[in-house]
Amino acid sequence: EAQVTQNPRYLITVTGKKLTVTCSQNMNHEYMSWYRQDPGLGLRQIYYSMNVEVTDKGDVPEGYKVSRKEKRNFPLILESPSPNQTSLYFCASSLRGLNEQFFGPGTRLTVL
Amino acid sequence: DQQVKQNSPSLSVQEGRISILNCDYTNSMFDYFLWYKKYPAEGPTFLISISSIKDKNEDGRFTVFLNKSAKHLSLHIVPSQPGDSAVYFCAATSYSGTYKYIFGTGTRLKVLA
Repeated sequence: EAQVTQNPRYLITVTGKKLTVTCSQNMNHEYMSWYRQDPGLGLRQIYYSMNVEVTDKGDVPEGYKVSRKEKRNFPLILESPSPNQTSLYFCASSLRGLNEQFFGPGTRLTVL
Repeated sequence: DQQVKQNSPSLSVQEGRISILNCDYTNSMFDYFLWYKKYPAEGPTFLISISSIKDKNEDGRFTVFLNKSAKHLSLHIVPSQPGDSAVYFCAATSYSGTYKYIFGTGTRLKVLA
């Protein structure tokens, strides 16, 4: 089944404790992206990747890192999480940059 | 600066009637637009898209209209069904090559049976 998977789905952590949210797609898509969804703010793009080893900043990249070493994986790294990073995070992928994006189920992160 | 705006946070429509969801944008570089639907506890799913070389695109019950001079697009759902109740996001990007996406804040549609 074609899908985008994210792990973990739920995470509660404390300020400053490094964490990684994994994202994987099985559709051989070139484009992958991370978004956060916050009440009243909609979806905001954090980082995106056009292909392996090619990443770029979205609208809200501060406090996040990404890497794209393999085509299927695009992990989101929070080196030192802070409470303002408490949010619902979505990973997405598309065949190329201008195609419809397929979204993962979301990761709800709480930073205390 | 909100480059993509959905000014109606919510909309209620009777089953069988037309739902019209609106989206305005400010960046004239945007030339590709998409609508996504999101149910609670799920990721958004793609509905329909339109490029700036067109002013209308249809897919079944869903039609998107683009008015470039007004920097406005709208999604029409006809007829509306209870299963259409969800949050709808419009998104914009540019063919220029950056492929950075800007989403609106969403409109919650409730279709009443």
